[in-house]
Amino acid sequence: QQQVKQSPQSLIVQKGGISIINCAYENTAFDYFPWYQQFPGKGPALLIAIRPDVSEKKEGRFTISFNKSAKQFSLHIMDSQPGDSATYFCAARGNTGGFKTIFGAGTRLFVKA
Amino acid sequence: EADIYQTPRYLVIGTGKKITLECSQTMGHDKMYWYQQDPGMELHLIHYSYGVNSTEKGDLSSESTVSRIRTEHFPLTLESARPSHTSQYLCASSDVGPLGNTIYFGEGSWLTVV
Repeated sequence: QQQVKQSPQSLIVQKGGISIINCAYENTAFDYFPWYQQFPGKGPALLIAIRPDVSEKKEGRFTISFNKSAKQFSLHIMDSQPGDSATYFCAARGNTGGFKTIFGAGTRLFVKA
Repeated sequence: EADIYQTPRYLVIGTGKKITLECSQTMGHDKMYWYQQDPGMELHLIHYSYGVNSTEKGDLSSESTVSRIRTEHFPLTLESARPSHTSQYLCASSDVGPLGNTIYFGEGSWLTVV
């Protein structure tokens, strides 16, 4: 089965630090790589996304770095804040067979004040 | 904010009871999904639908069933609830095709079976 492998499972970062979450995929038929953010008691919500034809996308303090040859992509949160504490899911969407989205296992981020 | 609504948000029910979790979206999306998630853990796809009268089982086997009679409505039913069904159930929707990039999630239905 197609998989997206996400690490670490949990992450503790000091306020103001950089949070880095990594994902790797196996299937080259993925064409869209979103990150979702989920706060306790809420459903996940799209945070930022990238297509494989670019190597980096930045939106405010959030940056996706994408390495197509290595089949890896990562989320960087600059100047991490306690309000960023949440679970983050990377995902990859296939470009065939119904455009199915595969989610990573999630990373629980805790930003210490 | 996504216009996808789930009811009930919280439900405590006895073993053997039948329950239906309701999900509605006002965005006109063809694709809808049900995910099962323990708090802060992985998202497990249990059902999905590409449109009216289309339903498919997801990656995680589930004893629940779904129906899609109207585009906006995708209810999930458990005929006989068991404690092992205790979990959070998330409904979601997205557009069909290469332009449908975003999955919109509801806030979830927390089910506790006692």
